[in-house]
Amino acid sequence: AQSVTQPDIHITVSEGASLELRCNYSYGATPYLFWYVQSPGQGLQLLLKYFSGDTLVQGIKGFEAEFKRSQSSFNLRKPSVHWSDAAEYFCAVGILKTSYDKVIFGPGTSLSVIP
Amino acid sequence: DTGVSQDPRHKITKRGQNVTFRCDPISEHNRLYWYRQTLGQGPEFLTYFQNEAQLEKSRLLSDRFSAERPKGSFSTLEIQRTEQGDSAMYLCASSPSIGMANQPQHFGDGTRLSIL
Repeated sequence: AQSVTQPDIHITVSEGASLELRCNYSYGATPYLFWYVQSPGQGLQLLLKYFSGDTLVQGIKGFEAEFKRSQSSFNLRKPSVHWSDAAEYFCAVGILKTSYDKVIFGPGTSLSVIP
Repeated sequence: DTGVSQDPRHKITKRGQNVTFRCDPISEHNRLYWYRQTLGQGPEFLTYFQNEAQLEKSRLLSDRFSAERPKGSFSTLEIQRTEQGDSAMYLCASSPSIGMANQPQHFGDGTRLSIL
């Protein structure tokens, strides 16, 4: 069965430090992969997506992610975290079904930023 | 393009009451999705519309839940005889159907339902 795991429930980093959020997926075919961010009381905003091609993808707000097929991973990175990055981050895998894309989300990683 | 709009943002109701939520997708998007998100979890798929046709429903969608998209534009999600376990954030998302796959879903800010 398809699934997404995010091993870290909560991460705390200092402002200006680098960040890496881990994501592993289980899917038999080539996946479509996404990272979304959710601020408290808000919906989800797409940070970046991977469909094919270059395995290092750039997103908004200075985020990037690298697809590693051999490790079934799609980790999110940012070289220097800002206080406004504190939020919940969700990794997701898109599965092509007959008529639409089913998206399965991971449980999320909560990011806290220390000033 | 004003994004996906959901109404109301918050709903507090007593157990046993019926509630209805509305979602207005991005105007050119003909795919519409409903999700449920409980505290500390990622969104879980509930149902999907292609235009006005409801093409898939999750087993999470019990008989008390019904969703419609009568004219292929806005959608409503109704919960009848609400229960404590229905307390959650209900998210709506939409996407275009250009090509088949790999069109990211755009999310609304959700309706937070609290059952007293």
